[in-house]
Amino acid sequence: AQSVAQPEDQVNVAEGNPLTVKCTYSVSGNPYLFWYVQYPNRGLQFLLKYITGDNLVKGSYGFEAEFNKSQTSFHLKKPSALVSDSALYFCAVRASNQGGKLIFGQGTELSVKP
Amino acid sequence: EAGVAQSPRYKIIEKRQSVAFWCNPISGHATLYWYQQILGQGPKLLIQFQNNGVVDDSQLPKDRFSAERLKGVDSTLKIQPAKLEDSAVYLCASSLDQDFYNEQFFGPGTRLTVL
Repeated sequence: AQSVAQPEDQVNVAEGNPLTVKCTYSVSGNPYLFWYVQYPNRGLQFLLKYITGDNLVKGSYGFEAEFNKSQTSFHLKKPSALVSDSALYFCAVRASNQGGKLIFGQGTELSVKP
Repeated sequence: EAGVAQSPRYKIIEKRQSVAFWCNPISGHATLYWYQQILGQGPKLLIQFQNNGVVDDSQLPKDRFSAERLKGVDSTLKIQPAKLEDSAVYLCASSLDQDFYNEQFFGPGTRLTVL
């Protein structure tokens, strides 16, 4: 069965520093990988996705993610964190040979301090 | 472009009562999803529609949950009777179609509290 793991419940970063939010996945077949962000009392907002091709994917608000097939990882990164990036981040995976259901990780709370 | 609309935003009921949630997807989106998000967890798919047909309802507790999308646009999700463990945020999402590479767009959710 497909699964997603976000090993850190919380990540704390100082404003201006680079940030990384980790995600590993397990699927059989080719994965389609997504990152979403959730602000308090709001729905999930799409950030970026990996479908095929270039391993480095760029998305909204300066975020990017690197697909690593050998490590089955899809870590979210940003070169310089902003206080406004503080939110809950979800990694999700979809596999074409497993019904196509989007499976989410449990989420990582990102806190950026001034 | 208008986003996914959901109502109500909040609902408090007592156990064994019934409740219904409404969702209006982004115009032109053929695929509609209902998710349940329990506090501290990622969303879990309950049901997926393609136009007015059900694609996947394998994780829908069918003894108490039902959903419909009669005209292939709006959708309602109903719980009857509600249990304490149904307390969660119910998220509606839509996508252009059901191709796996399409991102899903989420509504603000309905926060359900069952007392």
